[in-house]
Amino acid sequence: GAGVSQTPSNKVTEKGKYVELRCDPISGHTALYWYRQSLGQGPEFLIYFQGTGAADDSGLPNDRFFAVRPEGSVSTLKIQRTERGDSAVYLCASSLVTSARNEQFFGPGTRLTVL
Amino acid sequence: DAKTTQPTSMDCAEGRAANLPCNHSTISGNEYVYWYRQIHSQGPQYIIHGLKNNETNEMASLIITEDRKSSTLILPHATLRDTAVYYCIVRPGNDYKLSFGAGTTVTVRA
Repeated sequence: GAGVSQTPSNKVTEKGKYVELRCDPISGHTALYWYRQSLGQGPEFLIYFQGTGAADDSGLPNDRFFAVRPEGSVSTLKIQRTERGDSAVYLCASSLVTSARNEQFFGPGTRLTVL
Repeated sequence: DAKTTQPTSMDCAEGRAANLPCNHSTISGNEYVYWYRQIHSQGPQYIIHGLKNNETNEMASLIITEDRKSSTLILPHATLRDTAVYYCIVRPGNDYKLSFGAGTTVTVRA
């Protein structure tokens, strides 16, 4: 079946602009995660949804970052007043249930470049 | 604080077994050892996980020492497509987020 998809694959924006990054999880997966990966580093947790609600947003770096998942499926990560330091690959993952196995299926990521 | 320690990089010969070490000396009793890998320009991919016993699946084997302070991921017959960054992650059984370190960059050479 289809895996996790993310759009756009690449996004170039100017400092101060607003961006939205979209994630389509695997159908039926109730858990959804956003991570951010800077060059040469491992992914860093941002936020976790169980259904429609954000169960843990402790990884969001500041209040310019916000994410929603209104119908418990597609999620959008929103970044206001972008800064050059926001440049990174933003990864989305989903899993069927939160369990000991917790196999998270990752999308290919959106590469965000802030000029 | 880093929960795991991995070598920065390693080379492997195609067709040979690749043994990837990971130290997790502060692991707690309820924490699992997970391995993910990330091929260039792709998202991470789950490989295997274990608690105390050794585990094997179609991709790899995981050997965990008796004191659980270290583990080894074994790719039995490395291919060029196994070239990737391999992440060893320690995660409590009731947790959901993955805490990635820098991983080991594995290069399989023909």
